[in-house]
Amino acid sequence: QKEVEQDPGPLSVPEGAIVSLNCTYSNSAFQYFMWYRQYSRKGPELLMYTYSSGNKEDGRFTAQVDKSSKYISLFIRDSQPSDSATYLCAMKPNAGNMLTFGGGTRLMVKP
Amino acid sequence: SQTIHQWPATLVQPVGSPLSLECTVEGTSNPNLYWYRQAAGRGLQLLFYSVGIGQISSEVPQNLSASRPQDRQFILSSKKLLLSDSGFYLCAWSSPGGEQFFGPGTRLTVL
Repeated sequence: QKEVEQDPGPLSVPEGAIVSLNCTYSNSAFQYFMWYRQYSRKGPELLMYTYSSGNKEDGRFTAQVDKSSKYISLFIRDSQPSDSATYLCAMKPNAGNMLTFGGGTRLMVKP
Repeated sequence: SQTIHQWPATLVQPVGSPLSLECTVEGTSNPNLYWYRQAAGRGLQLLFYSVGIGQISSEVPQNLSASRPQDRQFILSSKKLLLSDSGFYLCAWSSPGGEQFFGPGTRLTVL
């Protein structure tokens, strides 16, 4: 079993839909959680960075962490075709800077 | 602000040829630096990381090597490329908080 599981998709939604992207993990030591967006043939771009449990909102994006369930989510409101990309979750424990990544979910937002 | 550069952007090399990919970071001092490989449709595989000049840790046994000749320069090399070395190579640096920031990547095709 991988430390971080992420449905590879593709997830296809119509423009304007609310998108929910999720990761589950097994290591209870993870304390910092990140979401990256990666366009085709580009490097990943950091979207959201959260510590421990709770919600964080930035514009149309909301990151949610439920440590009791070992489950994190990224919600995208009013999705746009420009949101079409692969979304990677990543996480780390308190000590060190090594990230453990999910395999990524490919999202397609259709106009 | 910090920026990270990688070159070349694209490379096509024959099997058995040498390789040198370069990564430089601007706007930060003594960063932790990372090399990842991303195979098509798959997640990120950490290859090497460095916490300082001349300090390299390898995560995966392979025919690749890394060097850090200067504080903000990270080089990925091979003496003889294999077909299996094809992929998308990403360099990243991490902030003290642990977020990693990626370069634009180098797409390597070994024929």
